[in-house]
Amino acid sequence: GIQVEQSPPDLILQEGANSTLRCNFSDSVNNLQWFHQNPWGQLINLFYIPSGTKQNGRLSATTVATERYSLLYISSSQTTDSGVYFCAASGAGSYQLTFGKGTKLSVIP
Amino acid sequence: EPEVTQTPSHQVTQMGQEVILRCVPISNHLYFYWYRQILGQKVEFLVSFYNNEISEKSEIFDDQFSVERPDGSNFTLKIRSTKLEDSAMYFCASSAGTGYQPQHFGDGTRLSIL
Repeated sequence: GIQVEQSPPDLILQEGANSTLRCNFSDSVNNLQWFHQNPWGQLINLFYIPSGTKQNGRLSATTVATERYSLLYISSSQTTDSGVYFCAASGAGSYQLTFGKGTKLSVIP
Repeated sequence: EPEVTQTPSHQVTQMGQEVILRCVPISNHLYFYWYRQILGQKVEFLVSFYNNEISEKSEIFDDQFSVERPDGSNFTLKIRSTKLEDSAMYFCASSAGTGYQPQHFGDGTRLSIL
């Protein structure tokens, strides 16, 4: 099945800083999603982005399907952005989302 | 915006007991999924369900697990004889279709086996 790798595993930011999280995947995808897991364990869907670029407020994401990676950008980070960010993808012929191990983001005041 | 709802939010069960986790997918969705996340680890796929049958399942989804859509709105995951290692957060998800459709996740049920 498809492999999903995320980097960095941990990231500490000062409030107001910008960051880029990366997701590499091993095969062509028909679904790629970014999630934020908050301290209560909820998975918040950020982007559905198998290709192209999307923006939502301070967050944006880009997937370059031909090069098998996706990037999540967080600008002007806030303490509420803290948590774990997961990338998940599914490949051709499969329904299941394979999750990466996540990037744990800590934003400090 | 329509949501996937899961009940209960937290379930505590004695080892060896049966447990049923419940989910109400988004009403016009056709594909349903269960995932689990052991504390501190990544989210893992368990099973997908379409047209009243299992479409795909992982190695984790062994004979102690079963899924059912008992009526037009609910989707359940049953664990027949729970083990300590079944302690995890269980997420239900649904999508309008396969492939080029996002999966929408519920808030999860935290299952604790004593």
